[in-house]
Amino acid sequence: AQTIHQWPVAEIKAVGSPLSLGCTIKGKSSPNLYWYWQATGGTLQQLFYSITVGQVESVVQLNLSASRPKDDQFILSTEKLLLSHSGFYLCAWSLVGSAETLYFGSGTRLTVL
Amino acid sequence: GEKVEQHESTLSVREGDSAVINCTYTDTASSYFPWYKQEAGKGLHFVIDIRSNVDRKQSQRLIVLLDKKAKRFSLHITATQPEDSAIYFCAASTGANTGKLTFGHGTILRVHP
Repeated sequence: AQTIHQWPVAEIKAVGSPLSLGCTIKGKSSPNLYWYWQATGGTLQQLFYSITVGQVESVVQLNLSASRPKDDQFILSTEKLLLSHSGFYLCAWSLVGSAETLYFGSGTRLTVL
Repeated sequence: GEKVEQHESTLSVREGDSAVINCTYTDTASSYFPWYKQEAGKGLHFVIDIRSNVDRKQSQRLIVLLDKKAKRFSLHITATQPEDSAIYFCAASTGANTGKLTFGHGTILRVHP
């Protein structure tokens, strides 16, 4: 069975500080990977997607970056956090070639002060 | 781009009754419509989906209807139980291999005894 693990569960960070969020998928070879962001009380928005190791496509510009250093790992980061980065970050995966059904992780709650 | 409107922001039903959540979309190219459930502070859990080649799909107590002419789809939860209480998100996708789902703003469903 596939498992998706996100870390950390929650972060409280200062404006201007760096950030790194991670996601690991086990039990599925070469999945498509995605980062979504949910503003507090709001809907979800896709930030990045990756179809293969080393390749990441940006969907919206939010002063964030993403990398896929390994087949089963997806990292979201920034060197300088903004207040507007607060929210809930969700990693998701899907089968290659059947990209519509996304399976989400449990998310990371980020509070920027 | 695609816009998905979720018509009910909150819905309160009595246990055992049915709950219906309605969504509309704008992009005629959308062909895949999943529904997700989010419990407080948790990630999104996939519940059911429908593709544009059918107009009805049922999985146990969940029924999804799709009206392509009206660009409308709906989730029907029959015989509701307290554990159905959560936020439900509808979404739409054109099916491209980018994993991009356009989400509605969510419906808070409360099932009370």
